[in-house]
Amino acid sequence: EAGVAQSPRYKIIEKRQSVAFWCNPISGHATLYWYQQILGQGPKLLIQFQNNGVVDDSQLPKDRFSAERLKGVDSTLKIQPAKLEDSAVYLCASSPVAANLAKNIQYFGAGTRLSVL
Amino acid sequence: KQEVTQIPAALSVPEGENLVLNCSFTDSAIYNLQWFRQDPGKGLTSLLLIQSSQREQTSGRLNASLDKSSGRSTLYIAASQPGDSATYLCAVMRGANNLFFGTGTRLTVIP
Repeated sequence: EAGVAQSPRYKIIEKRQSVAFWCNPISGHATLYWYQQILGQGPKLLIQFQNNGVVDDSQLPKDRFSAERLKGVDSTLKIQPAKLEDSAVYLCASSPVAANLAKNIQYFGAGTRLSVL
Repeated sequence: KQEVTQIPAALSVPEGENLVLNCSFTDSAIYNLQWFRQDPGKGLTSLLLIQSSQREQTSGRLNASLDKSSGRSTLYIAASQPGDSATYLCAVMRGANNLFFGTGTRLTVIP
């Protein structure tokens, strides 16, 4: 079974530029997540999709971050304009729809490391 | 607000030692607690999942316990190996699949 695919693996941009990240979840997984992991910290949820609808985007800085999940499969996360504090690893994860939430496991991609100079 | 704390932040042990990693959380209203492993440049790999109704889970040399009433979990690694070197993250799940992560423990096993 193919895992969660993310691209690019690395990105270096200057502040105020824009950047986009792409994620392809595991086939058949209805739920897709984007996390931000700042160096030395644990991942923090930015946005969660169920199929192509947003379940939770309460921690997404909506003035500069946007995300979409077209046709309920692939997803893109965009930052425009980027700030220095956006330097982090952006992780995508997916999970199937579980009858029992207590048993649900999220599967993570390798992440995109963003450096904003 | 759920807060998850992991102690220690870093740990170095000689190969073969048994070790314990600690995780504490402030809100006991959780669906489950999960332990993940993160290798440099790679994503997270789920190691163990303990449902809120369970007390422990075991997989090979790994054993995780959960005490919801005290807001604590431990990950026990037996007979550590250099390949166990990685960052270990615990996370608690609340409603709608939301995972709240700790800051991790960076483990180094010295050959």
